Amino acid sequence: QVQLQESGPGLVKPSETLSLTCTVSGASIISYYWSWIRQPPKKGLEWIGYMHNSGNTDYNPSLRSRVTMSVDTSKSRFSLKLNSVSAADTAVYYCARGSMTQPRTFDLWGQGTLVTVSS
Amino acid sequence: DIQMTQSPSSLSASVGDRVTITCRASQSIANFLNWYQHKLGEAPKLLIYTASNLQSGVPSRFSGSGSGTDFTLTISSLQPEDFATYYCQQSYSTPPTTFGQGTRLEI
Repeated sequence: QVQLQESGPGLVKPSETLSLTCTVSGASIISYYWSWIRQPPKKGLEWIGYMHNSGNTDYNPSLRSRVTMSVDTSKSRFSLKLNSVSAADTAVYYCARGSMTQPRTFDLWGQGTLVTVSS
Repeated sequence: DIQMTQSPSSLSASVGDRVTITCRASQSIANFLNWYQHKLGEAPKLLIYTASNLQSGVPSRFSGSGSGTDFTLTISSLQPEDFATYYCQQSYSTPPTTFGQGTRLEI
């Protein structure tokens, strides 16, 4: 059974960097696209970006200047860094999988992790 | 960005009802439209991809239709486990892919 599990600090101070990891179990991390998606309280879903183990990335233009994604195939996990955070970045963050042919159709998601930006 | 508008934003229904949720795109997206189900505290689940294709393992009471700018998700006979929030998503014009605001389906 394939599972995705997000992990990382639940509280980040304003202006600092949010760092999250998604661990993939039960399947290879190779040959898929891996996305981060977030949902602020009482708001809709917002796609942050994706990456492939080849290094191919695509980010939401609204966040591109602050986002870095990376993948560690040896540990079957991929990561998100979002710098210069503010209260507007408070959200539940999800990792999700897309296929090679449909990288932005998410057939598998993690349960999500709440990140609060506060001093 | 392409804006996705779902209606209604919330819906009350009963077990056994037939329910339809609508999603409208701000411009044509061909059939690049997906539907997801999300229950609180759980991982979202892909139900329908490219407008009308049922994801593996999803019950056949779920169906999708539409193309261009107007799409529908239909649940033919509501079951207790179907009460959740439903989101549409366009994957036509990216970046970024965008989601509807959600439709909360309540008992």
